[in-house]
Order: sequence, then C-alpha cells, then structure tokens
Amino acid sequence: DTEVTQTPKHLVMGMTNKKSLKCEQHMGHRAMYWYKQKAKKPPELMFVYSYEKLSINESVPSRFSPECPNSSLLNLHLHALQPEDSALYLCASSQAGDRGYNEQFFGPGTRLTVL
Amino acid sequence: AQSVAQPEDQVNVAEGNPLTVKCTYSVSGNPYLFWYVQYPNRGLQFLLKYITGDNLVKGSYGFEAEFNKSQTSFHLKKPSALVSDSALYFCAVRDPRGLIFGQGTELSVKP
Repeated sequence: DTEVTQTPKHLVMGMTNKKSLKCEQHMGHRAMYWYKQKAKKPPELMFVYSYEKLSINESVPSRFSPECPNSSLLNLHLHALQPEDSALYLCASSQAGDRGYNEQFFGPGTRLTVL
Repeated sequence: AQSVAQPEDQVNVAEGNPLTVKCTYSVSGNPYLFWYVQYPNRGLQFLLKYITGDNLVKGSYGFEAEFNKSQTSFHLKKPSALVSDSALYFCAVRDPRGLIFGQGTELSVKP
C-alpha cells in the first residue's frame, strides 16, 4: 500500500468552528508532514513529525494544532481560523531519519474554505 | 540556505514533441533533488529524484531528468509529450527542515 489518505476531501467552516483534518498511511513511514498550499503556488511546510514527536513547527499560528496519535495517523485540529487560511492542506509521509534523499508521498489534500 | 528556481511559469508544447521543464538549484553540500507533478485538485505525485551517481535519472511516466553540476541545473525532460502530461510541475530540494519547492511550472500540451 503506497497511499496516503486524507479526510475530508472538502471542508467549509466558519471562523468560530472547530474541525479536524485527518491523514493516514500504512507504508510504515515514521515521518509525517503537513503542508499548506494556495492555488498554483508551491506547498509550504507547516509541521513535521518524526517518530510521532513534533520535530518542526514552521512558526504556524496556534489556531492550527497538530497531533500524531500513532505511527499511521496524523491530525490537524483547526480552531478560530481566518478567511486567509482557506487553502489546500496536504499531508505527506516518508521514511524517517537523517536520509534526506527519501521522497515524500503526498495525500490528495483537503480543500478548506473558511467563511 | 537551499533553494531551487523554476524560471518559466508556463511551458507550452505540442503533443508528440519533446518537452523540457527547467530547474536550477543553489545548495551547500550534496544536493538531493526531486521532481513532483500535481494534477488539478490533486496532491503531489513523486516523479524522480537525484541523490548521486548517474547524471541522467529515469522516473515515472516516461520522464527523466538531467543533473548538471557545472550549470547547477536539474531539468525535467520527456522525449514525446502527451496531452495527459498537462499539469503543474514542481522541482524541490531537500533541506534539513523538509522539502523546499520551486515556484512551479505549468505545462500545457496541446493536441
């Protein structure tokens, strides 16, 4: 299984809502990532988990809260978002460790719209 | 800091013609370079990577890339373009923090 799955595919939320994005992989990867992507722009790294521990937070606002409950799952909890947070949120996974040549496998993304 | 640049926002090619999507890099140390493709409303799909060894790297869907150290380039190529190759292409370099992407090149292949 070389697939990363993400749910939901689409999400519309108000600025006062709380919602969560989910990501799952069964490739045995121990590094997982959240990216934010605006239309026709490159993905921007948000968070990196390595062996279920948060290793990188790219100065993301606290209204985004990541969680890695186990080696296969990655969540992104959303609260009090702003309209400018509307974007495609991509999850990715890769082999962990210091091997920078490991490619990342991406999920299809969640299209988030904040009203 | 590691970076990659894609000098062309858009590349237009006729079906059956060869295609090239350009990428140049700036790294300290050995570069780990990647190409990804993104179809509309989809995630990124890995095409190929350069780590070390042969300068010509073969990847998925008939794509290949040529690593040129003297020109600090890693151009993506395909001998014969298909309409279905139309998509957004990203070059990326591995940074200690993760992947650093170029701005992307929109490839349009017309019949």
